[in-house]
Amino acid sequence: DTEVTQTPKHLVMGMTNKKSLKCEQHMGHRAMYWYKQKAKKPPELMFVYSYEKLSINESVPSRFSPECPNSSLLNLHLHALQPEDSALYLCASAPGVLSSYTFGSGTRLTVV
Amino acid sequence: KQEVTQIPAALSVPEGENLVLNCSFTDSAIYNLQWFRQDPGKGLTSLLLIQSSQREQTSGRLNASLDKSSGRSTLYIAASQPGDSATYLCALYGNNRLAFGKGNQVVVIP
Repeated sequence: DTEVTQTPKHLVMGMTNKKSLKCEQHMGHRAMYWYKQKAKKPPELMFVYSYEKLSINESVPSRFSPECPNSSLLNLHLHALQPEDSALYLCASAPGVLSSYTFGSGTRLTVV
Repeated sequence: KQEVTQIPAALSVPEGENLVLNCSFTDSAIYNLQWFRQDPGKGLTSLLLIQSSQREQTSGRLNASLDKSSGRSTLYIAASQPGDSATYLCALYGNNRLAFGKGNQVVVIP
């Protein structure tokens, strides 16, 4: 298995909802990442997990809450989002921090 | 802070022509450079990874070079096909993170 799987592919949520994005990989990668990408822009780093511990938080608002329950799974919990949070959320993994990244296909999030 | 620039931002070429995409960066203290392809609304597909000690990598019709001293990388796609139409992103690893350029949006005209 050489893929990063993200679910759901599309998500529409209201500003008072709580939802979660899921990311899974079975390549034994020990670094996992969340990125946010707006239309026509490059991906922006949100969080980095290394060996299941949060190592980087790029000053992301607390309405985004990451979780790494085990070495294969990465979640992003969403609560009280704003319409401007609508974007493509990408998960990535790598064997180590200096290795080739593998990205998932993303979750297209729309906040209404 | 690493700044990554990709030129041109967009280009259209007739099928069969060779594509040359440029990426420049300001901080030569990089560990590696990775080229990605992104189709509209989709995730990123890794094309080539060049370690900092390497000068180039090749895969099929793709060739990427790295010149750290001048802060440049070039992605060369030979004999372009309509299926090569996509956005190509250059990303550099340094300071514990990937720094992305804004991409080269490519259209290959049949």
